[in-house]
Amino acid sequence: RKEVEQDPGPFNVPEGATVAFNCTYSNSASQSFFWYRQDCRKEPKLLMSVYSSGNEDGRFTAQLNRASQYISLLIRDSKLSDSATYLCVVNPRDDKIIFGKGTRLHILP
Amino acid sequence: DTGVSQDPRHKITKRGQNVTFRCDPISEHNRLYWYRQTLGQGPEFLTYFQNEAQLEKSRLLSDRFSAERPKGSFSTLEIQRTEQGDSAMYLCASSSRTRQETQYFGPGTRLLVL
Repeated sequence: RKEVEQDPGPFNVPEGATVAFNCTYSNSASQSFFWYRQDCRKEPKLLMSVYSSGNEDGRFTAQLNRASQYISLLIRDSKLSDSATYLCVVNPRDDKIIFGKGTRLHILP
Repeated sequence: DTGVSQDPRHKITKRGQNVTFRCDPISEHNRLYWYRQTLGQGPEFLTYFQNEAQLEKSRLLSDRFSAERPKGSFSTLEIQRTEQGDSAMYLCASSSRTRQETQYFGPGTRLLVL
């Protein structure tokens, strides 16, 4: 099993719709979890951390399920500007983070 | 701009040549990371420094690759005898003492080996 796995997509979603994607991780001792966003030919940028109780930031909601070892990202009322690759990031120990391959999202007008 | 900077942004070289990239982290960040990213993949960890000490190196980092951070500030990544398979985006990131797990990335250096 890969350390971090994501559905590569692409997810083609009409503007205004809700979209969700998951990411699974293999190391049950992982401490921290994040979603990064990467635009085409740009560097990754932190979108949000994922907390055990789940957290929300505007239209974005992140959830963690430790029992099943996955995290999720929900985007409500999607905008054209949400089109990007979303990278799941897992921190199995203090000094290392592992990136997933990313899920490509295309918001359609 | 006080973010992470990288130089050059693009590099085209011929197979067999040596190349060197530079990364300047956010000034108060003590950790500095190098990653490589190819098309359709997430960033893959290469190595990281805490201050001037190189604490971990990935198996991806062959003996043609060397990284330094001599004064605990900027870092350089050198690739000797480049191969076509080295073509990738090389990303640098830094993190602070108080939030080690949150990394801030530079714009990357895109390398093309002909």
